[in-house]
Amino acid sequence: DTAVSQTPKYLVTQMGNDKSIKCEQNLGHDTMYWYKQDSKKFLKIMFSYNNKELIINETVPNRFSPKSPDKAHLNLHINSLELGDSAVYFCASSYGTGVMNTEAFFGQGTRLTVV
Amino acid sequence: GDSVTQMEGPVTLSEEAFLTINCTYTATGYPSLFWYVQYPGEGLQLLLKATKADDKGSNKGFEATYRKETTSFHLEKGSVQVSDSAVYFCALGGSRLTFGEGTQLTVNP
Repeated sequence: DTAVSQTPKYLVTQMGNDKSIKCEQNLGHDTMYWYKQDSKKFLKIMFSYNNKELIINETVPNRFSPKSPDKAHLNLHINSLELGDSAVYFCASSYGTGVMNTEAFFGQGTRLTVV
Repeated sequence: GDSVTQMEGPVTLSEEAFLTINCTYTATGYPSLFWYVQYPGEGLQLLLKATKADDKGSNKGFEATYRKETTSFHLEKGSVQVSDSAVYFCALGGSRLTFGEGTQLTVNP
């Protein structure tokens, strides 16, 4: 059983389109995250949810909108895609109320390419 | 704010060589420290962790010791294998994981 699963694994789309990435975890964790990894492998947090409530919202364009229907799911919707959105997006989950002193479990990543 | 600095890469070693990847951090309080590994085309996996000063985390022959006095958490392995080729990330716990820049390790036969 995959602990944190993301779909799709690869996503190629044209500029201006709207796309979604889905994430599900079966670990019973109450906190989920979206991270963005750029072409130089640098990882930066985008959002964090605890029990369906947004607790971290970094400086991310408002074209990016996370949605958490329940604590096992955190989806990422991106409007009006731009070339600069091309990256690998990782979902992660952990225990705790946003205090990440416990380990986080990561999904396999979604490689988004905007053409 | 919290930050993590890793030694610059890439690092290229021959099989059975000794590995050190340096990591230093700046943080308020005493957060947990982590090393994650990312194999090609995969997500991040926790390699080891330490939750308080002087703790040593270890896994798969890798070790790192939480040094409060030097604010460091250097990763070491006595004898690397080709299968250790990956990107290694040092990370700091807190309200979110703060990652270092990552160090690409290539081990040649």
